[in-house]
Amino acid sequence: DIQMTQSPSSLSASVGDRVTITCRASRPISIYLNWYQQKPGKVPKLLVSSASNLQSGVPSRFSGGGSGTDFTLTISSLQPEDFATYFCQHSFTAPRTFGQGTRVDIK
Amino acid sequence: QIQLVQSESEMRKPGASVQVSCKASGYSFTSHGISWVRQAPGQGLEWLAWMSIYSGYKEYSDNVQGRASISADTSTGTVYLELRSLTSDDTAVYYCAREELGATSAFDYWGQGTLVTVSS
Repeated sequence: DIQMTQSPSSLSASVGDRVTITCRASRPISIYLNWYQQKPGKVPKLLVSSASNLQSGVPSRFSGGGSGTDFTLTISSLQPEDFATYFCQHSFTAPRTFGQGTRVDIK
Repeated sequence: QIQLVQSESEMRKPGASVQVSCKASGYSFTSHGISWVRQAPGQGLEWLAWMSIYSGYKEYSDNVQGRASISADTSTGTVYLELRSLTSDDTAVYYCAREELGATSAFDYWGQGTLVTVSS
């Protein structure tokens, strides 16, 4: 099975900060990497597919990058509504494992 | 509009079985695969199973292989997940999620979640 490791597992940041979350796959997965945002008590929301394809309606301050084993999700200027937990997930093969999540808190 | 509407919360005793349903609407049901994902209280997301509605092909995680069955009724546009031999570790919110038609089959629409509680 392919394991997905996110770092950090949590971070504290201020509004306006640039934030980068990293996701590493245990073996190469090309660009079969997706990012989701989940707020407390809510359903996960797809932000980025195919490593860097921003979903319609997602603000342009979000961006994804990487290929192979190393991927990033960057928020260029953190906004109050961005405080949430972010999950990466690969869809290279079954099982389609999620990372453990990165919680973004207000500093 | 595209919707995935799941069945209501369930409570079961250890050793029992549960079936959760997910009724899809607003799109061509057979064109998109459906996965089931669960989230234990305060924990992350765990992928459980996937089905190609078009071909009927199914895949399962090792964690539920042999205990879970994913199925679909194309006449009603409903996908089901049955989980057997329940333990307290199966207590979680269960989500169905639709795969987009893009290259990496990300989950673009999610059901509202069904809480399954396993307790004696």
